[in-house]
Amino acid sequence: DGGITQSPKYLFRKEGQNVTLSCEQNLNHDAMYWYRQDPGQGLRLIYYSQIVNDFQKGDIAEGYSVSREKKESFPLTVTSAQKNPTAFYLCASSISWDPSYSNQPQHFGDGTRLSIL
Amino acid sequence: GQNIDQPTEMTATEGAIVQINCTYQTSGFNGLFWYQQHAGEAPTFLSYNVLDGLEEKGRFSSFLSRSKGYSYLLLKELQMKDSASYLCAVRGNFNKFYFGSGTKLNVKP
Repeated sequence: DGGITQSPKYLFRKEGQNVTLSCEQNLNHDAMYWYRQDPGQGLRLIYYSQIVNDFQKGDIAEGYSVSREKKESFPLTVTSAQKNPTAFYLCASSISWDPSYSNQPQHFGDGTRLSIL
Repeated sequence: GQNIDQPTEMTATEGAIVQINCTYQTSGFNGLFWYQQHAGEAPTFLSYNVLDGLEEKGRFSSFLSRSKGYSYLLLKELQMKDSASYLCAVRGNFNKFYFGSGTKLNVKP
């Protein structure tokens, strides 16, 4: 069954520590995204990648980093520079940047909830 | 900048009909999506509009007016399980998606 797997489900970060959130998809999708969701708010784009070995900053990239070395994997690192990291993090994918696929929705993982110790 | 507006919260009664509105201003438009999100869970896809008009899918319908930058999601025969947040999202240029803050729908007996 195809889908997106995020791990861990819950994560705790100590002051000054970097943590990495995992996102793996077996949908053969080209594009992948990371969003942050704060309580009662919508999704804000952190980073996105349209194709392997390429990624772009979203609206709130400061304090985060990503890599896209494999098509199926798009890990997000929350660095110590991110002063307010407590949030619900969602990874998503879409089939392609190609406009002929514009009717295809994003698929989401189940999310990682990050808290500060 | 990008702007997508939805009401913050709505309440409706089981069995009734509710309409959730969304207005948008984005750089580029390649379709509008509605998602349902239960608390603490991932959003799930409900509907897609790219042309003006109404798309119907069972109890859910979605309408789009591109000239007005306006969409709505219509939920009929409300059930308790429809209590969730509903997110409006626009696919803009470069395959970027822009989300509204979501509308929390409370369905009461």
